[in-house]
Amino acid sequence: EAQVTQNPRYLITVTGKKLTVTCSQNMNHEYMSWYRQDPGLGLRQIYYSMNVEVTDKGDVPEGYKVSRKEKRNFPLILESPSPNQTSLYFCASSPPDLGTDTQYFGPGTRLTVL
Amino acid sequence: AQKVTQAQTEISVVEKEDVTLDCVYETRDTTYYLFWYKQPPSGELVFLIRRNSFDEQNEISGRYSWNFQKSTSSFNFTITASQVVDSAVYFCALRNSGGYQKVTFGTGTKLQVIP
Repeated sequence: EAQVTQNPRYLITVTGKKLTVTCSQNMNHEYMSWYRQDPGLGLRQIYYSMNVEVTDKGDVPEGYKVSRKEKRNFPLILESPSPNQTSLYFCASSPPDLGTDTQYFGPGTRLTVL
Repeated sequence: AQKVTQAQTEISVVEKEDVTLDCVYETRDTTYYLFWYKQPPSGELVFLIRRNSFDEQNEISGRYSWNFQKSTSSFNFTITASQVVDSAVYFCALRNSGGYQKVTFGTGTKLQVIP
């Protein structure tokens, strides 16, 4: 089954404690992205990756890091989380050409930073 | 810069009424993709439709229909004979073409269908 998986699904942490949210896809997609969703703001793109070792900033990259060492994985790293990073996070993947396909989203990770 | 505006924050309708969700976009690209997603209370994002900028045909899928008009930069979504299961947040999104995959979402419209 084609899918994007994220772990953990729920996480409560404290300010400053480094954390990683993993994302993995089994569709051999080149493109992967991270979004955060906040009330009244919709989804905002944090980082995206066009292929292995190729990443770039989205609209709200501050406080986040990503890496793309393998095609299937795209972890999101919060080196020093702060309460304003409390949010619902989505990972997504897609092939290069969206003419015949769409963006597949993971189930979301709800992060609370105390 | 690209932008997607969903001016309707929340809409409430009585079951069986028709409802239209508005989406207005801005982009400098001549080729782009538009999307609608549904987010039910369970939280996952459900893909509804993709439209290419060069295809202005309206589309109907069951009770759902979409009206794409490049002249007004709008991509509106209509639900006919709404049902309680349609209650969700609906997002419109815009993606440019080419290798730079920037995706911009609207802020969403929360639809409540009252039985």
